[in-house]
Amino acid sequence: EPEVTQTPSHQVTQMGQEVILRCVPISNHLYFYWYRQILGQKVEFLVSFYNNEISEKSEIFDDQFSVERPDGSNFTLKIRSTKLEDSAMYFCASSWTLVGANVLTFGAGSRLTVL
Amino acid sequence: KNQVEQSPQSLIILEGKNCTLQCNYTVSPFSNLRWYKQDTGRGPVSLTIMTFSENTKSNGRYTATLDADTKQSSLHITASQLSDSASYICVVSEELRRGGGNKLTFGTGTQLKVEL
Repeated sequence: EPEVTQTPSHQVTQMGQEVILRCVPISNHLYFYWYRQILGQKVEFLVSFYNNEISEKSEIFDDQFSVERPDGSNFTLKIRSTKLEDSAMYFCASSWTLVGANVLTFGAGSRLTVL
Repeated sequence: KNQVEQSPQSLIILEGKNCTLQCNYTVSPFSNLRWYKQDTGRGPVSLTIMTFSENTKSNGRYTATLDADTKQSSLHITASQLSDSASYICVVSEELRRGGGNKLTFGTGTQLKVEL
């Protein structure tokens, strides 16, 4: 069964460092998303991406965050200068369709720990 | 502000028993409601998706209901198994107007533990 793959599975970084989280969405999917889950809290929407541009972002997704689809397969989330509160599990997701009950397939997540 | 509330927060049941999880939401514009299962340290996995016009949907031992008038949903698990131990998350989707797919609002989840 097709799956969304994320790397790294766990990254530890120092506060102020740049981090890039990578995702390989399902190959025929057109819509890509990043979500995050702080330990013990609910999953929160960060950003959606379609046709090589951001289509929606939450208030969490400030200027420190950026997303990119550098080639035909990867979808990345960059955090420019990490803060302690960025420590969380980051989930990438992708979907095929825009409307209706499209299934979002989530990756296993990348755990980011900021020290 | 869009919100999804779930109850109970946690639940322990014996293997073979049934249980029902509840979800209330205030999300607009409503597109669909999903139930996800999330194992510890893993990404959420979709169990069911229901649109406005659907009242009930089943997936094996999982049956979800939706009352779009009262903005309530339930997930019923029958004949529970040890492997059902996980967090069950109610997720409501609003359709993004600018072609952005679906924006999901997650509940905090019900932590289910199935014991022998």
